[in-house]
Amino acid sequence: GENVEQHPSTLSVQEGDSAVIKCTYSDSASNYFPWYKQELGKRPQLIIDIRSNVGEKKDQRIAVTLNKTAKHFSLHITETQPEDSAVYFCAAASYNQGGKLIFGQGTELSVKP
Amino acid sequence: GAVVSQHPSRVICKSGTSVKIECRSLDFQATTMFWYRQFPKQSLMLMATSNEGSKATYEQGVEKDKFLINHASLTLSTLTVTSAHPEDSSFYICSARDTGTGSPYEQYFGPGTRLTVT
Repeated sequence: GENVEQHPSTLSVQEGDSAVIKCTYSDSASNYFPWYKQELGKRPQLIIDIRSNVGEKKDQRIAVTLNKTAKHFSLHITETQPEDSAVYFCAAASYNQGGKLIFGQGTELSVKP
Repeated sequence: GAVVSQHPSRVICKSGTSVKIECRSLDFQATTMFWYRQFPKQSLMLMATSNEGSKATYEQGVEKDKFLINHASLTLSTLTVTSAHPEDSSFYICSARDTGTGSPYEQYFGPGTRLTVT
């Protein structure tokens, strides 16, 4: 089955700096890669996603890149703000597995003012 | 749109009792729903895929006789934790796939249920 590895587990940056979180996956059939932000005790919120036919996608301060050959994808947050502090999860899904999401271990991002 | 609710939001029960958690899609139909479990400071672990009108598909290592899933309508799936023990204490989150979009990927998450077994 699919296995998703996520690094780093914790990340601390100064406000205004960039943050990068990386994930690798094992199943070459995976073709959907979402990123979620989760605040303590709350539901995960989808912040950006990418399909396998696209190498990069951007939404304001957030961008995701995908390298299908190397089976890794990354989340980039620019101009970080204290409200970006949360736990971020990457995930992978494939159509032939019914679209079920397999999550990475999570990254606790702390943005210091 | 695309709102998913869970009930209850928090529940405390005694060891050995059963607890039922409801997951509802409020403004869309969901043929497929998913149940996850999340321990403190850990990731979301998929427990099972719930399909309306058929048996749930459980992930490896999840006891189907302990975690009973019923998906009797297009807007409701329930998870019953039977004979709960303290190690079952966790945050249970459901998600639902909007049947109408035709996308196999987009899932909408419920707010989660905090289960504490004493």
